[in-house]
Amino acid sequence: GDSVTQMEGPVTLSEEAFLTINCTYTATGYPSLFWYVQYPGEGLQLLLKATKADDKGSNKGFEATYRKETTSFHLEKGSVQVSDSAVYFCALNRNRDDKIIFGKGTRLHILP
Amino acid sequence: DTAVSQTPKYLVTQMGNDKSIKCEQNLGHDTMYWYKQDSKKFLKIMFSYNNKELIINETVPNRFSPKSPDKAHLNLHINSLELGDSAVYFCASSQGGVTNYGYTFGSGTRLTVV
Repeated sequence: GDSVTQMEGPVTLSEEAFLTINCTYTATGYPSLFWYVQYPGEGLQLLLKATKADDKGSNKGFEATYRKETTSFHLEKGSVQVSDSAVYFCALNRNRDDKIIFGKGTRLHILP
Repeated sequence: DTAVSQTPKYLVTQMGNDKSIKCEQNLGHDTMYWYKQDSKKFLKIMFSYNNKELIINETVPNRFSPKSPDKAHLNLHINSLELGDSAVYFCASSQGGVTNYGYTFGSGTRLTVV
């Protein structure tokens, strides 16, 4: 079935480091892809999205490019801040219903 | 104003009890969802309703029963609670196609069954 695989966490980085969180997906057709962020004690918030191949989603310094050839949607940020500490979820929607399938989440710790 | 609000935020109860979680959205969205997040943060869809009609009903024990009195509300009733029901339950809503807009989530209800 359709699924999303993310790198295992936790990921611990120093402030201003470069961030990559890997995400690959399995789906038939052409899904839409999302990154959500969950701060402690809160619900998930949409961080960015891409709806077709080669689209780049971006928000708050984060970027991810929809790569159909490698079925990937890796999240990147050039210089992380302590306030970026959160759990990040990669997700897909199959474009044939309203169900979003989430990866297992990657916890990110940024040290000052 | 909170867009998607859930009550209660925390719920501690004994095994065998029956409890309800309420969700309300003021976004005018047509579709609402319940997701369960386990202790390892894994999120799994349980139900979705579109304009009061059940659309998605995943493999969930029939002790769980959603109810949507109108399109702005989706409640979750759980009978005969078990230890394994302990989790964070998230309500979400969407409008105009998940493809372009994704979901708006509530802040969650942490259920602890003792």
